Amino acid sequence: DAKTTQPTSMDCAEGRAANLPCNHSTISGNEYVYWYRQIHSQGPQYIIHGLKNNETNEMASLIITEDRKSSTLILPHATLRDTAVYYCIVRVINDYKLSFGAGTTVTVRA
Amino acid sequence: NAGVTQTPKFRVLKTGQSMTLLCAQDMNHEYMYWYRQDPGMGLRLIHYSVGEGTTAKGEVPDGYNVSRLKKQNFLLGLESAAPSQTSVYFCASSQTRQKDRAHEQYFGPGTRLTVT
Repeated sequence: DAKTTQPTSMDCAEGRAANLPCNHSTISGNEYVYWYRQIHSQGPQYIIHGLKNNETNEMASLIITEDRKSSTLILPHATLRDTAVYYCIVRVINDYKLSFGAGTTVTVRA
Repeated sequence: NAGVTQTPKFRVLKTGQSMTLLCAQDMNHEYMYWYRQDPGMGLRLIHYSVGEGTTAKGEVPDGYNVSRLKKQNFLLGLESAAPSQTSVYFCASSQTRQKDRAHEQYFGPGTRLTVT
């Protein structure tokens, strides 16, 4: 699986959009980009995934660059409950294993 | 629908003791996983199972054994606990054949294990 690079931490103001970057410059054509998050002391939670098109669901939006070498997870209106570690994971289609890195610690401040 | 549950939630062991962690899922998922998470680190895969009666090694399998006798349960055993196994253990499950959502994993709440 392609390796991902994320910032160690970032802050965000409550009510504002949070933009979380992820670099995956070695991604191959059959690899999806997945995002999970882990709120303190809880198990990780799936957020969203995509292959090459931008995706949106009730939790977030995923923007993937045209060359697929990077992506951005957008939390449109961050709340204090969005404070968590966010993991960007690249995985081959239909592979069942996840490989977690250190992720980005996002702190939403009032 | 409870999702993924783990038993126990907390445990303290002495070095050399044994124990079994139980994971149960009620979503009829084929795949199940055991991860460990050490402070400040991401999750690392210990063992996994692609179906009832099957198990396979993950990234850090040493010191652990697993069994999947029933589809809904996945057990993680520590035969002789060591302080290096102090960690938070997460179980997860996933399903095949989810069109375009292949193997979204659902995680349990975790078991906090301390080995003294």
